[in-house]
Amino acid sequence: NAGVTQTPKFQVLKTGQSMTLQCAQDMNHEYMSWYRQDPGMGLRLIHYSVGAGITDQGEVPNGYNVSRSTTEDFPLRLLSAAPSQTSVYFCASSTESRGGYGYTFGSGTRLTVV
Amino acid sequence: AQSVAQPEDQVNVAEGNPLTVKCTYSVSGNPYLFWYVQYPNRGLQFLLKYITGDNLVKGSYGFEAEFNKSQTSFHLKKPSALVSDSALYFCAVRDWGNSGYSTLTFGKGTMLLVSP
Repeated sequence: NAGVTQTPKFQVLKTGQSMTLQCAQDMNHEYMSWYRQDPGMGLRLIHYSVGAGITDQGEVPNGYNVSRSTTEDFPLRLLSAAPSQTSVYFCASSTESRGGYGYTFGSGTRLTVV
Repeated sequence: AQSVAQPEDQVNVAEGNPLTVKCTYSVSGNPYLFWYVQYPNRGLQFLLKYITGDNLVKGSYGFEAEFNKSQTSFHLKKPSALVSDSALYFCAVRDWGNSGYSTLTFGKGTMLLVSP
């Protein structure tokens, strides 16, 4: 019973590099989302998906790309990393696409862009 | 857009004393409200939710929250704090994305420090 698994846990990137943050869930949840957490700003929604093939932008989508080809996986791509993307990234999943109930969060990826 | 505000960056309480972590909301329509907790270097954990019904909602680890429509508040409470309750607490509200699907909007968080 793994829940939501995020990899890697830590990553250092150079400005301009690209990378993919992985998120996988084994609960057959229809709804998955990506948040970033910055000091004093809480969690801000980047992108979310309500099912395979369906994604939408959140509050801070610029510089990030997502796709949802399977129910289980929801990777987050940084196209050209910038220091402003230094943050802790959380993936979450839920069974309720219309209620936002009881999200299950991964343990996070701490990203530093130098 | 829906929003929640947590007016306190930090709350300090002595072990054994009651604790309150404040949250106010701004929504159109009926609010769906949530509390989450984050322990150091961990993801967020769901504590409780208010959808409809009783204004006093009970959740995990002995926490409860009181929904007050007239004051647009949803404060988190516990009768007797434990040192292990020390963590970052987030209030959240159901919001709506551009495509009409629901999302979750979080407050900035309140650090709770319980001293022995």
